[in-house]
Amino acid sequence: DTGVSQDPRHKITKRGQNVTFRCDPISEHNRLYWYRQTLGQGPEFLTYFQNEAQLEKSRLLSDRFSAERPKGSFSTLEIQRTEQGDSAMYLCASSFEGAVYGYTFGSGTRLTVV
Amino acid sequence: AQSVTQLGSHVSVSEGALVLLRCNYSSSVPPYLFWYVQYPNQGLQLLLKYTSAATLVKGINGFEAEFKKSETSFHLTKPSAHMSDAAEYFCAVSGDTGRRALTFGSGTRLQVQP
Repeated sequence: DTGVSQDPRHKITKRGQNVTFRCDPISEHNRLYWYRQTLGQGPEFLTYFQNEAQLEKSRLLSDRFSAERPKGSFSTLEIQRTEQGDSAMYLCASSFEGAVYGYTFGSGTRLTVV
Repeated sequence: AQSVTQLGSHVSVSEGALVLLRCNYSSSVPPYLFWYVQYPNQGLQLLLKYTSAATLVKGINGFEAEFKKSETSFHLTKPSAHMSDAAEYFCAVSGDTGRRALTFGSGTRLQVQP
C-alpha cells in the first residue's frame, strides 16, 4: 500500500486554461474526498465520492469545477477556464466508511494560475 | 451545521515546554473530532481522534487531547515540546458520528524555540 497518490505535484497554468488533477486512493478505501487549501488556511471541503457516486458537493465547487470517479477507483478534478483565485493546494484524501477511521491525505497538487 | 475555531494562529514555545493548542467546535449532532499535523509542502497526517469512546485521547508523537462536551472543546497538548514538533496543526470535526465530511479549522502554526 503506497498511500494516496496525487499527480501532478505542481501545475502552473495561464489564466483561462483548463487543468486536470488525478488522485489514486488507497485501494480498499471506498470514500474519496477533494479539499482546497489556500495559504494560511485550513483545507476547505469541495466534494466527496462513495465508490463511484458523488454524494456531496460544496457551494465552493462552482460550475467550472467537475470531479469524477469512474469505476470507484481513481478520481479526477478538472477546473475549466482557470482564474487567479483558483491558485491553491488541492488535496485528495480517502477513507474507509467515513471519518471514524480518519482520512489518509495525499501530498497535494499545488496549482498556480498566472 | 458543523464548524471549528482554533484560537491562536501562531503559538511559540521553548523546547521542553508544555504545548497547548486550542480548539472549540460547533456541531448540531454528536461530533467526531480530529487533530491533524501538516509539515511544509506535505499532506495532512492524523495525530489523534475522538470517536465517542474515552474522552482523553492519546495520539502519536506524545500528543493527547481531551474532549469536554460542556466546554465544546478539544484542546491538544504535549508535556514537552521537541524541535521536530514545529508544524501546522489543524483541528477538524465530523458530525453525525463521522458520516459527514471533515470540516477543518484555520490552523495553528507551532514554533519551537531552542
